[in-house]
Amino acid sequence: DTEVTQTPKHLVMGMTNKKSLKCEQHMGHRAMYWYKQKAKKPPELMFVYSYEKLSINESVPSRFSPECPNSSLLNLHLHALQPEDSALYLCASSQDQRAYEQYFGPGTRLTVT
Amino acid sequence: AQKVTQAQTEISVVEKEDVTLDCVYETRDTTYYLFWYKQPPSGELVFLIRRNSFDEQNEISGRYSWNFQKSTSSFNFTITASQVVDSAVYFCALSERDTGRRALTFGSGTRLQVQP
Repeated sequence: DTEVTQTPKHLVMGMTNKKSLKCEQHMGHRAMYWYKQKAKKPPELMFVYSYEKLSINESVPSRFSPECPNSSLLNLHLHALQPEDSALYLCASSQDQRAYEQYFGPGTRLTVT
Repeated sequence: AQKVTQAQTEISVVEKEDVTLDCVYETRDTTYYLFWYKQPPSGELVFLIRRNSFDEQNEISGRYSWNFQKSTSSFNFTITASQVVDSAVYFCALSERDTGRRALTFGSGTRLQVQP
């Protein structure tokens, strides 16, 4: 089973809202990732968690706050977003961070109004 | 610094045609990994293949084949007898094991349109 699940599938939020994106995998993977993808562009890495510790933060604005409560779960907390943050947010996991293939979830399509 | 170039932005073919998607990479690491992903209109990125830098054997999986050539830093992907279901954006990606930041660097993607 190579499934990564993400909820919600779609999210519309105002600039003053607080919301969270959730990601879950049960493959025993120890690395989990958040990517942001704008239309017609490749995914851009945002954060990497390795063994539940933040390993990479690609200078993401603080209005995005990641959290890894346990090895199966990854959250992305959103607060005071801007319209330009509207995008597809993809979660991925891999066996660990040593360049194994990453398996992606279906994504959350976020619209900030 | 690592870099992946997919020079073909869009390709359109008619069903049953063969099509090759090009990927050229740059890296200073001697050990690295190359990947291909498919992103259909639904949005989910689907893992297709991983290749290690020390294994230059070409690979075939059904209608899909991959040609890895270190001499030209290329990792090309061929779909034989294309089908409408192959329509998607295809991304080539690179990850370095030692000197890099151990995260995928994606190319800009090639949009493949297979017409019936």
